[in-house]
Amino acid sequence: AQTVTQSQPEMSVQEAETVTLSCTYDTSENNYYLFWYKQPPSRQMILVIRQEAYKQQNATENRFSVNFQKAAKSFSLKISDSQLGDTAMYFCAFRRLTSNTGKLIFGQGTTLQVKP
Amino acid sequence: SQTIHQWPATLVQPVGSPLSLECTVEGTSNPNLYWYRQAAGRGLQLLFYSVGIGQISSEVPQNLSASRPQDRQFILSSKKLLLSDSGFYLCAWATGQNIQYFGAGTRLSVL
Repeated sequence: AQTVTQSQPEMSVQEAETVTLSCTYDTSENNYYLFWYKQPPSRQMILVIRQEAYKQQNATENRFSVNFQKAAKSFSLKISDSQLGDTAMYFCAFRRLTSNTGKLIFGQGTTLQVKP
Repeated sequence: SQTIHQWPATLVQPVGSPLSLECTVEGTSNPNLYWYRQAAGRGLQLLFYSVGIGQISSEVPQNLSASRPQDRQFILSSKKLLLSDSGFYLCAWATGQNIQYFGAGTRLSVL
């Protein structure tokens, strides 16, 4: 069975600085998807970024980028130029490529506080 | 564009009362639908998912049930609520883009 681990329950960063959130996963699959979701205080889950395992290039979305290390089964999220609005809980998630149900397996989350 | 509606936003119910949370999706057809529960400060637990009308799969045996009476409608129910049913409930949908999109959630307090 697949598992997703986020080892940092809480992190903080100063506004305009860069922060990296860690995520590791365990799977025997070769092809899959990885996601980072953001949950601000409103608790609305928002997709931040997606990575296909068969793509070697790391995904980037404006100030958000990932460091995908397939062999190490690591999928970290880097937030550059942190803004107060980035304060949220961040979840890493895994999805099998061949899953017809689209089920996501989530980590336990990392609470990020951006300080002014 | 696709949108997902989930209601009510907040609900306070006594122990032993019934529950009905509704989720509807607009702008897409035959989506996969999901119900999650999230305890305070914790991760998401998948409760049910559905790949089509009348098709419900349960992930965790519990006091809740789900139904999908229409293609874009997903309902979470309980006949008698327990204290342990309190939490934040999220509905989500997905299609071939392999991305799940979430509703705004329902905060349920069972007293």
